Amino acid sequence: DVKVTQSSRYLVKRTGEKVFLECVQDMDHENMFWYRQDPGLGLRLIYFSYDVKMKEKGDIPEGYSVSREKKERFSLILESASTNQTSMYLCASSLLRQQFANTGELFFGEGSRLTVL
Amino acid sequence: SQQGEEDPQALSIQEGENATMNCSYKTSINNLQWYRQNSGRGLVHLILIRSNEREKHSGRLRVTLDTSKKSSSLLITASRAADTASYFCATASFYNQGGKLIFGQGTELSVKP
Repeated sequence: DVKVTQSSRYLVKRTGEKVFLECVQDMDHENMFWYRQDPGLGLRLIYFSYDVKMKEKGDIPEGYSVSREKKERFSLILESASTNQTSMYLCASSLLRQQFANTGELFFGEGSRLTVL
Repeated sequence: SQQGEEDPQALSIQEGENATMNCSYKTSINNLQWYRQNSGRGLVHLILIRSNEREKHSGRLRVTLDTSKKSSSLLITASRAADTASYFCATASFYNQGGKLIFGQGTELSVKP
C-alpha cells in the first residue's frame, strides 16, 4: 500500500514564525502536492511538483514556498506564519501516467492541522 | 477556482438505506474522481471514471457520469454507520485546468445506526 506520511498531525505556531511541514511518500511517485482545506472553501492547491527540484504554483501559492530535494520528500514552508494560514494542510502523491500526469488518483497523508496564534 | 459542486451539502440516512450524492461541473473533463474523508483525516480515493465511461462499480459503490449534463453521481448501497464521512468529487481536465485536479466542497454523509 502507498503510504504518505506527514510529519506532524498538529502544530501550534506564533505569528511570524517560520513553519516547515514535511511529507514523505514511499511508493516512488513522481508527483507530489500540497493542499489546504478550510470549511466552506474545500481543498485548494498550494503547490505541486512533478519531479525532483521542480515545482509549480497552484491556485493559492502566496505566503508559501516548497522544496523537493529528493523524490520521496516534499516540504511546505511558511516563511512568516500568519493567522490566516491556520488550516488543515494535506499532502498527496500520484504516479506519472501521461503528459498531464497530475490527473490520476491521489494518495493523501493524514493531514497536518496548523494553528497560528 | 471551484469546478465540481456537490449536492446535497449534507445527507442523513438510516443504516441499510442507499445514499446518493451528486456532482456537477462546468467545463469538459478527462476524468472524474470520488474521494472519501473521515473526520480529521486525509482523503481516500474511491473510484475514477473516465470521460468515455458512463458507469462504474466498486463493491457497494456505483458511479455514473453524464458528460452531456456535466454531472456525476455516487451511490452507496446498503449504507453502514462506518460510511459516515465527507465525500468529494474531483475533476481532471488536461486543457481547462492545466491537468490539475479540482475538488468540490463535499457532501457530508451521516449514517445513523
